[in-house]
Amino acid sequence: QKEVEQDPGPLSVPEGAIVSLNCTYSNSAFQYFMWYRQYSRKGPELLMYTYSSGNKEDGRFTAQVDKSSKYISLFIRDSQPSDSATYLCAMSAGGGSYIPTFGRGTSLIVHP
Amino acid sequence: GAVVSQHPSRVICKSGTSVKIECRSLDFQATTMFWYRQFPKQSLMLMATSNEGSKATYEQGVEKDKFLINHASLTLSTLTVTSAHPEDSSFYICSARANNYEQYFGPGTRLTVT
Repeated sequence: QKEVEQDPGPLSVPEGAIVSLNCTYSNSAFQYFMWYRQYSRKGPELLMYTYSSGNKEDGRFTAQVDKSSKYISLFIRDSQPSDSATYLCAMSAGGGSYIPTFGRGTSLIVHP
Repeated sequence: GAVVSQHPSRVICKSGTSVKIECRSLDFQATTMFWYRQFPKQSLMLMATSNEGSKATYEQGVEKDKFLINHASLTLSTLTVTSAHPEDSSFYICSARANNYEQYFGPGTRLTVT
């Protein structure tokens, strides 16, 4: 079992839909949780990060962490064609180990 | 936000030659930089962690003599692919860490070895 599992998709939704992207993990030491967006042939860009459990909202994006279930989610409201990209989750443990472990990414396609 | 640049963005080289890729943090100092490799539709594979002024730490299975990393300053790290072969063709991405959890990625370098 991989430390971080993420369905590669593709996930295809109509414009305006609410998108739910998810990752599960097995390492209970993970405390920092990040979501990155990567457009084709570009480097990943940090979208959101959360520390420990809870929710965090930024515009149309909401990140959720449920440490008891080892499950994190990224919700995108009112999805736009420009949101079409690959979304990677990443997480790392606290203390001195801040090298994140990445999921393989979920390809999202928002069609007009 | 923090900006990381990579140069070149794309390079084609002949088998047996060496290629150098530069990674720069433009508006912040990065004590740690990371080098990743990414195959199509695959996640990022960490190759090595580079700390300024010290030797890079390579991940298991990554040949340190083939992928030479130099982190000469707080804003520059270089990756040199020596004696490149077609199987080295890939998308190479660097990132720089500004604080405990935020990594900023460069735009990537597409290497094609013919």
